[in-house]
Amino acid sequence: AQSVTQLGSHVSVSEGALVLLRCNYSSSVPPYLFWYVQYPNQGLQLLLKYTSAATLVKGINGFEAEFKKSETSFHLTKPSAHMSDAAEYFCAVSWVFGNEKLTFGTGTRLTIIP
Amino acid sequence: NAGVTQTPKFRVLKTGQSMTLLCAQDMNHEYMYWYRQDPGMGLRLIHYSVGEGTTAKGEVPDGYNVSRLKKQNFLLGLESAAPSQTSVYFCASSSGLAGVHSYEQYFGPGTRLTVT
Repeated sequence: AQSVTQLGSHVSVSEGALVLLRCNYSSSVPPYLFWYVQYPNQGLQLLLKYTSAATLVKGINGFEAEFKKSETSFHLTKPSAHMSDAAEYFCAVSWVFGNEKLTFGTGTRLTIIP
Repeated sequence: NAGVTQTPKFRVLKTGQSMTLLCAQDMNHEYMYWYRQDPGMGLRLIHYSVGEGTTAKGEVPDGYNVSRLKKQNFLLGLESAAPSQTSVYFCASSSGLAGVHSYEQYFGPGTRLTVT
């Protein structure tokens, strides 16, 4: 079965440091890829998406992600962490055309250390 | 433009009781989805709909039913609640149309359900 894996359920970084959240998918066919953010007690908000255009995708709040087909990865990065980035981040993939269903990873909780 | 709204925000049920969660969207989206979120498991798709009058099973459909009688509403029903259905439920919608916003799902704020 096709799946998406997020490495590290918890990541802590210092304020101002690089944020790197990892996502790998299993598929021989490049899917559509997404990163969502969830702040406490809220729904999910789209950060960015890859839909087979540019491999480096820029999103909101200074985040970006790079699609690497050879590594089946779509890691999320931000050069300098801010306290407001503390949240849970979900990688998601869509393989099925016609219903836009998403399969989510298990999430990574990002903590920012002052 | 309210986006996606969910009713209620919180609910406590006893085992065996039934209830309906309501999702409404005002973006004229074709597709709608119900997910449940459990710690360490991410979001799992329960049921979805690709248009008014249509529904389909997702990854974890057992114990749930859905209906989409109107395009803007998607109802999730629990006929006989069980403690295993204690979770946070999210509704989402997407346009279903090709274009710059294709495949983007917009989420509601969630419903926290506890079954005792």
